[in-house]
Amino acid sequence: QVQLVESGGGLVKPGGSLRLSCTASGFTFSDRYMNWIRQAPGKGLEWVSYISSGSTYTNYADSVKGRFTISRDNAKNSLFLQMNSLRAEDTAVYYCARAQQLGPEWFDPWGQGTLVTVSS
Amino acid sequence: QSALTQPASVSGSPGQSITISCTGTSSDVGDYKYVSWYQQHPGKAPKLIIYDVSNRPSGVSNRFSASKSGNTASLTISGLQAEDEADYYCSSYTTTSTLLFGGGTKLTVL
Repeated sequence: QVQLVESGGGLVKPGGSLRLSCTASGFTFSDRYMNWIRQAPGKGLEWVSYISSGSTYTNYADSVKGRFTISRDNAKNSLFLQMNSLRAEDTAVYYCARAQQLGPEWFDPWGQGTLVTVSS
Repeated sequence: QSALTQPASVSGSPGQSITISCTGTSSDVGDYKYVSWYQQHPGKAPKLIIYDVSNRPSGVSNRFSASKSGNTASLTISGLQAEDEADYYCSSYTTTSTLLFGGGTKLTVL
């Protein structure tokens, strides 16, 4: 079955960096757009970034633009999120989610999430 | 961009129907057919229940239906069941090629 497993979360100090990974299985990873979405503790969902199947197109929420970089390795069925200059407000559960072949417009399924905590 | 606007909470009794609204602008909900809805139970990852305004993925109950009029999308759950108690989020593609979520609606089944 389709499965997404995130890893790489943890505790990091403000200004620090972290790299999240998402490993996909059960579908042709290289065919699909992929997204990162986050959820701060007790808060709602916030879209973070997407990447097209061949990495040609990427986009970011204004709140992370210039600090986060999305990438993928289709040979390893893996999605990444490099997070630099982390702030307290980046504290959240980060989910990876599969999208369509032709665009990022909806998310199905989602991984279980990985918690990122930014605190001194 | 500001989040899409959803009511913070709605409630209904078992067997009743409820509707959750999702209001955006002509730059998101009003301009695209790419409105989707997600159900999230406590401590779980969200689950897609509606895509492209009104389409249900395979396996999602037909008690869930949705529509759009102008800048407002709506999710209706009919025949409410206890298991429907969850948070619900709408999402839309935007004219800046980004995605937006609503603030979420907590559904309580009385």
